[in-house]
Amino acid sequence: DTGVSQDPRHKITKRGQNVTFRCDPISEHNRLYWYRQTLGQGPEFLTYFQNEAQLEKSRLLSDRFSAERPKGSFSTLEIQRTEQGDSAMYLCASSLYRSYNSPLHFGNGTRLTVT
Amino acid sequence: GENVEQHPSTLSVQEGDSAVIKCTYSDSASNYFPWYKQELGKRPQLIIDIRSNVGEKKDQRIAVTLNKTAKHFSLHITETQPEDSAVYFCAASMNQGGKLIFGQGTELSVKP
Repeated sequence: DTGVSQDPRHKITKRGQNVTFRCDPISEHNRLYWYRQTLGQGPEFLTYFQNEAQLEKSRLLSDRFSAERPKGSFSTLEIQRTEQGDSAMYLCASSLYRSYNSPLHFGNGTRLTVT
Repeated sequence: GENVEQHPSTLSVQEGDSAVIKCTYSDSASNYFPWYKQELGKRPQLIIDIRSNVGEKKDQRIAVTLNKTAKHFSLHITETQPEDSAVYFCAASMNQGGKLIFGQGTELSVKP
């Protein structure tokens, strides 16, 4: 399967702990996006990269969240000092952007539960 | 920033009937409008998309229409089947941004 892969699929952590998620995009895709989805809601934009550059970060995103894409390939999303409100599905997506938009391809997500 | 509103939140139809889901967007600069289908516990999957230079696009039983003046777009599913049951999300984005802003979703239930 050459789609977007995310690891881990599930993560349970205690409040106050740090967690890190990984996303491997489709290999030829230059853009990588992170979204958060809670039950019954649409995916909420968090941040995105073009190659290794982080081009935009949601204003709603707490300083406890940080994302990297150091070599323009895989990306990590870290949440520091987790809170119960961080419990959600974290979705990664990638696309091949040229001069126009192309579809986003999503991974299966990482489900975070903060106890 | 962009805001996307989606209606209805739930939709129940009989097998074989048509289903229509509507979305409105706020930013007139948006020019790309995809629709995603998400089955329970699975990833969102693109089912159809439309760009602002086109008013309508069709793919078998699925069609999308776009009214740029009114800033709304709709998904039409004809001859619905039980396997069409899922949550459907509309989204909008601008060329420069690339990020998608999603609607709240419509849970479609097709009864046999």
